[in-house]
Amino acid sequence: ETGVTQSPTHLIKTRGQQVTLRCSSQSGHNTVSWYQQALGQGPQFIFQYYREEENGRGNFPPRFSGLQFPNYSSELNVNALELDDSALYLCASSLLEGDKRTLHFGNGTRLTVT
Amino acid sequence: GEDVEQSLFLSVREGDSSVINCTYTDSSSTYLYWYKQEPGAGLQLLTYIFSNMDMKQDQRLTVLLNKKDKHLSLRIADTQTGDSAIYFCAEKGGGSYIPTFGRGTSLIVHP
Repeated sequence: ETGVTQSPTHLIKTRGQQVTLRCSSQSGHNTVSWYQQALGQGPQFIFQYYREEENGRGNFPPRFSGLQFPNYSSELNVNALELDDSALYLCASSLLEGDKRTLHFGNGTRLTVT
Repeated sequence: GEDVEQSLFLSVREGDSSVINCTYTDSSSTYLYWYKQEPGAGLQLLTYIFSNMDMKQDQRLTVLLNKKDKHLSLRIADTQTGDSAIYFCAEKGGGSYIPTFGRGTSLIVHP
């Protein structure tokens, strides 16, 4: 069973640039969620995709957008980067089945905006 | 909105028990979770409890839930240095697919 993998592991960007982060879900999972974890904080929910459609969004501006592909891999895109976007970005996959939601996280992408 | 609170730090001696506490505000919570995050890694699910249970035991881990007080705890028996990590409490309301996480408790185990 392949776990959740994210790429790249680290990234440095300049304010105003755009970035794309990638995630491969655990096999058999149909849902992917993205979280932002600032230093010393818990993960903050950005959005979730189920069957290639966004079906939940946290309190993040529209410059945060995403995609889910037919193979359930996913991308997080952030436009017009700001210094406060510096954080660990976590992807989590799960099986949307019943009420229980156990998330399987990747190791994250550490984004630094200078 | 939902809110999950945890103390930020806990220091214990190797071999002692650790108890990490969490409070939450959502009275419709159905599942509550404990995740562990080691340096440079993502979050790993340790255990979860359904809201109609008040205790769950899994090897060295014991979860206690007081639904009336909206209080969740994680007890780690015989704490080892390898248990040093950040522990996150999370809850999921009945009307949501999205768990809400606390800020995490940094557990430091010293010899």
